[in-house]
Amino acid sequence: DGGITQSPKYLFRKEGQNVTLSCEQNLNHDAMYWYRQDPGQGLRLIYYSQIVNDFQKGDIAEGYSVSREKKESFPLTVTSAQKNPTAFYLCASTTGQENSPLHFGNGTRLTVT
Amino acid sequence: SQKIEQNSEALNIQEGKTATLTCNYTNYSPAYLQWYRQDPGRGPVFLLLIRENEKEKRKERLKVTFDTTLKQSLFHITASQPADSATYLCASPPDSSASKIIFGSGTRLSIRP
Repeated sequence: DGGITQSPKYLFRKEGQNVTLSCEQNLNHDAMYWYRQDPGQGLRLIYYSQIVNDFQKGDIAEGYSVSREKKESFPLTVTSAQKNPTAFYLCASTTGQENSPLHFGNGTRLTVT
Repeated sequence: SQKIEQNSEALNIQEGKTATLTCNYTNYSPAYLQWYRQDPGRGPVFLLLIRENEKEKRKERLKVTFDTTLKQSLFHITASQPADSATYLCASPPDSSASKIIFGSGTRLSIRP
């Protein structure tokens, strides 16, 4: 079955460490997205990529970095510069055509202590 | 700046009644609005899309309306069931580029038997 895989489901890190969240899709989608969700809040856009080797900052990109070396993969690095990294992180993809819906993975819950 | 707003208070209704959720947008005119369902600990799942030139869209027990005068979309679930309990999110592109998608904060719906 086609879909988006985020791993791991739960991730724990010590403050000051960088951590990379994985996102892989086999839907042959061109566009991929990273969102952050905090309790009781909606999704806030961190980074998005419309095509391989290109990506744009979203509304809350500070303290995060991404790469898009392959169409299927869009890893997100949470750096030590991110002041409040504990959150639920969601990756999504879409064909990139107008009106096309987002397909989401089941998220990674990151806890930094 | 462009904003999508949803009533952050939870909505509790009796099984069998119609649930109505609201999505308001400010400072832009979306080409379309999307509605998603999110269960706890999972990624959102796409439900319906409505374009700016459409007044209403239906899918089984779901109905979405789009009022460009009120800058509002309404999401209705008729004959609601406890299984409909979830958080519902609206989303849209904030500008004509359509590649960036922003979300409202979501409304948690609880259907009591």
